[in-house]
Amino acid sequence: GENVEQHPSTLSVQEGDSAVIKCTYSDSASNYFPWYKQELGKRPQLIIDIRSNVGEKKDQRIAVTLNKTAKHFSLHITETQPEDSAVYFCAASYDDKIIFGKGTRLHILP
Amino acid sequence: KAGVTQTPRYLIKTRGQQVTLSCSPISGHRSVSWYQQTPGQGLQFLFEYFSETQRNKGNFPGRFSGRQFSNSRSEMNVSTLELGDSALYLCASYEGAGANVLTFGAGSRLTVL
Repeated sequence: GENVEQHPSTLSVQEGDSAVIKCTYSDSASNYFPWYKQELGKRPQLIIDIRSNVGEKKDQRIAVTLNKTAKHFSLHITETQPEDSAVYFCAASYDDKIIFGKGTRLHILP
Repeated sequence: KAGVTQTPRYLIKTRGQQVTLSCSPISGHRSVSWYQQTPGQGLQFLFEYFSETQRNKGNFPGRFSGRQFSNSRSEMNVSTLELGDSALYLCASYEGAGANVLTFGAGSRLTVL
């Protein structure tokens, strides 16, 4: 069925270090993979997305990689800062709908 | 452009009652999706509408229903409320008909007592 698995559920990294969040999806027809950030008490907001015809995309300190063969995609945040503390959701398209993973709570330690 | 507007923002109901939530999408957006957010379960897909047609439905019981109007505004209804329906209900709108960038509203927080 339509499923997006996300790991880890919680991640703590030292400020300045890198953070990596990994997701897998189940349908090889999925072709759109967005990542959303949700700060405490706020709505989810798109931070980066990638389509299936691209293997990697970068935007400043954030990058996403996609392995279509393995049905894996990952979010990489470099030089983490306190404002990166939030819940991050990966997602994949299934037909015309977007299915989300359960989220990763990222803590940036001082 | 005004963002996605959801009303009401907060509401408290008792078991057995029913509730209607409203979502006004960004002007020009014809697609609206609804999600239920609970701690530990992330964002669970409820429905997706385009041009007044429900194109997709998630794995929720028939007590959950929705509709979309000709101006793209959408409503969802939950009947015979249960304690487990307590959640943040988020709607998101996007342009066009295919999977695309979702812009979320602030949500309607429902508490069932």
